[in-house]
Amino acid sequence: GDSVTQMEGPVTLSEEAFLTINCTYTATGYPSLFWYVQYPGEGLQLLLKATKADDKGSNKGFEATYRKETTSFHLEKGSVQVSDSAVYFCSFGNEKLTFGTGTRLTIIP
Amino acid sequence: DAGVTQSPTHLIKTRGQQVTLRCSPKSGHDTVSWYQQALGQGPQFIFQYYEEEERQRGNFPDRFSGHQFPNYSSELNVNALLLGDSALYLCASSPPPPGEQFFGPGTRLTVL
Repeated sequence: GDSVTQMEGPVTLSEEAFLTINCTYTATGYPSLFWYVQYPGEGLQLLLKATKADDKGSNKGFEATYRKETTSFHLEKGSVQVSDSAVYFCSFGNEKLTFGTGTRLTIIP
Repeated sequence: DAGVTQSPTHLIKTRGQQVTLRCSPKSGHDTVSWYQQALGQGPQFIFQYYEEEERQRGNFPDRFSGHQFPNYSSELNVNALLLGDSALYLCASSPPPPGEQFFGPGTRLTVL
């Protein structure tokens, strides 16, 4: 069935470090792919998306590329900040969204 | 422009009781989806409403039901509450055709 496997956390990095959070998915067809971010006590915010193969989504310095061959959508950022500390969810779908279990990221000054 | 709003923010119930959660979509959005997020987990799709009808349903029992009103707002009802129903319930709205989903802050339900 449909599923998302993402890198387990928690992940702790120093400020200005490079970030990668891996995500692979199993889905029927070619759904849109998303990364959502959840700050403490809040709902989900869309961070970036890609709607077709080889599309690169980007926002706030974060990037992810839709890789159809490897069914992956890894999240990257070149230099993280303390304010990036949150839980990140990889997701896919066209109407109904399927989510991974989330990766908690903590950035240390 | 107000985003997706949900009420109440927090709720405490006991096993066997019934609960109703409410959601108002963003202006211009006509589709509402509900998700359950257990502690430490990703959201799980419950169902989606469009034109006052349930359009899709996830793997949740019939104890979970919903409604959408003519103004596109929606309710989630859960009957015969179980301890395992304790979770954050998220509502998301999307514009036609449907497009991207925008999430509300959620309702934290605790079942004792």
